[in-house]
Amino acid sequence: DVQMTQSLSYLAASPGESVSISCKASKSISNYLAWYQQKPGEAYKLLIYSGSTLQSGTPSRFSGSGSGTDFTLTIRSLEPEDFGLYYCQQYYEKPLTFGSGTKLEIK
Amino acid sequence: EVQLVESGGGLVQPGRSLKLSCAASGFTFSNYYMAWVRQAPKKGLEWVATISTSGSRTYYPDSVKGRFTISRDNAKSSLYLQMNSLKSEDTATYYCARHSPWEDVMDAWGQGASVTVSS
Repeated sequence: DVQMTQSLSYLAASPGESVSISCKASKSISNYLAWYQQKPGEAYKLLIYSGSTLQSGTPSRFSGSGSGTDFTLTIRSLEPEDFGLYYCQQYYEKPLTFGSGTKLEIK
Repeated sequence: EVQLVESGGGLVQPGRSLKLSCAASGFTFSNYYMAWVRQAPKKGLEWVATISTSGSRTYYPDSVKGRFTISRDNAKSSLYLQMNSLKSEDTATYYCARHSPWEDVMDAWGQGASVTVSS
């Protein structure tokens, strides 16, 4: 199985700042990488797929980069509604696997 | 508006069975692959099952293969997960999710149904 590692389980930042969340695959997954967001009391939301393609409705301050084994989700100029949990997911092969998540909190 | 509403969760003893349901609305259910994804307490997400549009193809990780069965009723816009021989490690919130038409990612999620396996 492809192991997905999000090295930072917790990240604190202030509104207006930019942050980057990393995700590493245990083998090359090309660009078959998605990012999800979960906010308390809300359903999971797909933000980005194919490593860098924004899902419809995802604000342009979100961007994804990377290919192969190393990926990054960047959020420019944090808004209050951006704080929550972020997960990466590989879909290069089954079983589909997720990272352990990064909690983005307000500093 | 796309809506996925899970039901059927609860407390069940180890070794017993439970069936989850998911009612879909706001989209043409029969056109989409569907999936179940779970999240154990304080843990990350784990993909549990995927089913094709017609139901003829199903996919599972080894952790649930042979114990869980995903199915669907397109006439009722409903997705199901039959869980047999439940173990304590199956304790989790189970999410119904819609697969994107073009990628093996989930572009809509329900709020989840809680399943606790305990004696």
